[in-house]
Amino acid sequence: AQSVSQHNHHVILSEAASLELGCNYSYGGTVNLFWYVQYPGQHLQLLLKYFSGDPLVKGIKGFEAEFIKSKFSFNLRKPSVQWSDTAEYFCAVEEGNNDMRFGAGTRLTVKP
Amino acid sequence: NAGVTQTPKFQVLKTGQSMTLQCAQDMNHEYMSWYRQDPGMGLRLIHYSVGAGITDQGEVPNGYNVSRSTTEDFPLRLLSAAPSQTSVYFCASSSILAGETQYFGPGTRLLVL
Repeated sequence: AQSVSQHNHHVILSEAASLELGCNYSYGGTVNLFWYVQYPGQHLQLLLKYFSGDPLVKGIKGFEAEFIKSKFSFNLRKPSVQWSDTAEYFCAVEEGNNDMRFGAGTRLTVKP
Repeated sequence: NAGVTQTPKFQVLKTGQSMTLQCAQDMNHEYMSWYRQDPGMGLRLIHYSVGAGITDQGEVPNGYNVSRSTTEDFPLRLLSAAPSQTSVYFCASSSILAGETQYFGPGTRLLVL
């Protein structure tokens, strides 16, 4: 079975710092890739997704992610974080059979 | 549209009790799923359904039953609750027509004593 790895459990940054959250998956076939965010006290929301085409995907709130097929990676980036970006971020990988697997999540704390 | 709704928001059960977590969506999505979210484990797929009358097991199906009698509803049943089922449960729905983006409900926080 495929697995999804998020390397950082908790990241602490100051405002305006750059962010990169790692995500790697093990499945070798065609996949759809997602990043979800869960703000404190709220439910999951989609940040961005990749199905095909340009491997650099832009999402909401200034986030982007790059799909590197050779590295089985889909890292999330933001050039300058804000205090309001404090949340938990989940990477997800979907195989063709609708089986979606999530990473363990990365908690981001942005200090004002 | 209300999107994906879940009830209840919170529930406390005793070991051995049964209950049903409700999930409904008004977007006519064919695909619905249940996840549990545990610290350090991320979201794990419990059961999913690709349409009314069709269900299948996900990553962690043991201890849970589902049914899909209508497109709108996808209840999750715990027949005999165990402390290991203490978790936050999310229901989600999606549709190929919606670009397969999953829409999540607000979650149900369950505590089994």
